Amino acid sequence: AQSVAQPEDQVNVAEGNPLTVKCTYSVSGNPYLFWYVQYPNRGLQFLLKYITGDNLVKGSYGFEAEFNKSQTSFHLKKPSALVSDSALYFCAVRDDTGRRALTFGSGTRLQVQP
Amino acid sequence: GAGVSQSPSNKVTEKGKDVELRCDPISGHTALYWYRQSLGQGLEFLIYFQGNSAPDKSGLPSDRFSAERTGGSVSTLTIQRTQQEDSAVYLCASSLEGWGNTEAFFGQGTRLTVV
Repeated sequence: AQSVAQPEDQVNVAEGNPLTVKCTYSVSGNPYLFWYVQYPNRGLQFLLKYITGDNLVKGSYGFEAEFNKSQTSFHLKKPSALVSDSALYFCAVRDDTGRRALTFGSGTRLQVQP
Repeated sequence: GAGVSQSPSNKVTEKGKDVELRCDPISGHTALYWYRQSLGQGLEFLIYFQGNSAPDKSGLPSDRFSAERTGGSVSTLTIQRTQQEDSAVYLCASSLEGWGNTEAFFGQGTRLTVV
């Protein structure tokens, strides 16, 4: 079985401050990990992924995420938040067999205050 | 086309009617997924097609839901005898399976409203 937990329904941060959106996962075998963002009235957009290699992956719009195998986490981070980053963020996981679809977390709403 | 295309974008139907939702994946993508997103909720997995393998139907919520993927390309999700709780945005995604190419690209979704 595979699962994803996003423990925070909402994260509030002031513009210019660093942000972190948390994600932990459970999967058999090696994980493929993803972050997606959903802006209001828009479809899901891919942000970044971890397949293998460096634990710190960089993605779109200045976001990055750190894969931590021992803690089974893949937290999304950005050094300086923008108001335009306000959106719904989803973490997703699948195993490396390709036999299972992506499993998504419940989502975290990021609110960046000016 | 350049992206995943879903039709219709909006569908209002009466309770008890059948509906068909269509998904055109990105050309060459072997994997196709259907998810649904209820208002303010996360993504609920419905069904997954991967190449010629038997689809993973483990997420279909009832036998009123079914999906086909013809010729390894276009997919149709059918909901029979719709109920009000079926109201949601139905999202289709496709991905090019293979090492390092597994991110899914999503369509804009079909917003289904059952009245």
